[in-house]
Amino acid sequence: QKEVEQNSGPLSVPEGAIASLNCTYSDRGSQSFFWYRQYSGKSPELIMSIYSNGDKEDGRFTAQLNKASQYVSLLIRDSQPSDSATYLCAVNGRDSSYKLIFGSGTRLLVRP
Amino acid sequence: DADVTQTPRNRITKTGKRIMLECSQTKGHDRMYWYRQDPGLGLRLIYYSFDVKDINKGEISDGYSVSRQAQAKFSLSLESAIPNQTALYFCATSDPADRDGAFFGQGTRLTVV
Repeated sequence: QKEVEQNSGPLSVPEGAIASLNCTYSDRGSQSFFWYRQYSGKSPELIMSIYSNGDKEDGRFTAQLNKASQYVSLLIRDSQPSDSATYLCAVNGRDSSYKLIFGSGTRLLVRP
Repeated sequence: DADVTQTPRNRITKTGKRIMLECSQTKGHDRMYWYRQDPGLGLRLIYYSFDVKDINKGEISDGYSVSRQAQAKFSLSLESAIPNQTALYFCATSDPADRDGAFFGQGTRLTVV
């Protein structure tokens, strides 16, 4: 089992819709959870971080964390074509010696 | 200037050659990472360093070595490059608690022919 798992996609949504991206992780000792956006050929850019159970909202983005079920999700409201990118989930925790481990990413396509 | 700078940005090298990728940061972070990215495989950890005297292998360290010359500098070497090391390489830094996540350099696109 991979430490951090994401559906590779592509996830295709129409412009204006809500895009829902999911990530599961194996380390129950994980403490910090991050979502990165990466455009093709560019470096990953941090868009959300979350540390406790529940929701965290920042503009059009909402991160959701459920430690009991070991998943973290990212909702993008009012999706725009410029949101088309690969979204990477990253986790750090005790079992990984507190180093950042990334999932393989989900490719999001927002159709105009 | 970028907080995390990688050099070179692009490099083509021949099989068997030694090559060094360099990373420097101005964020004052203790933690530095080298990742490799291949299409569809996400970011895979090659080596990481939590301080100047602490260097650790990641999941794909074979064929690579690193040097942490100072808090701000972390270099990745390919002792004898091979074609399947063709990839996009990223350096990243983070604070000790990773509270703000990792900050990435611009990447180095390496092609081994």
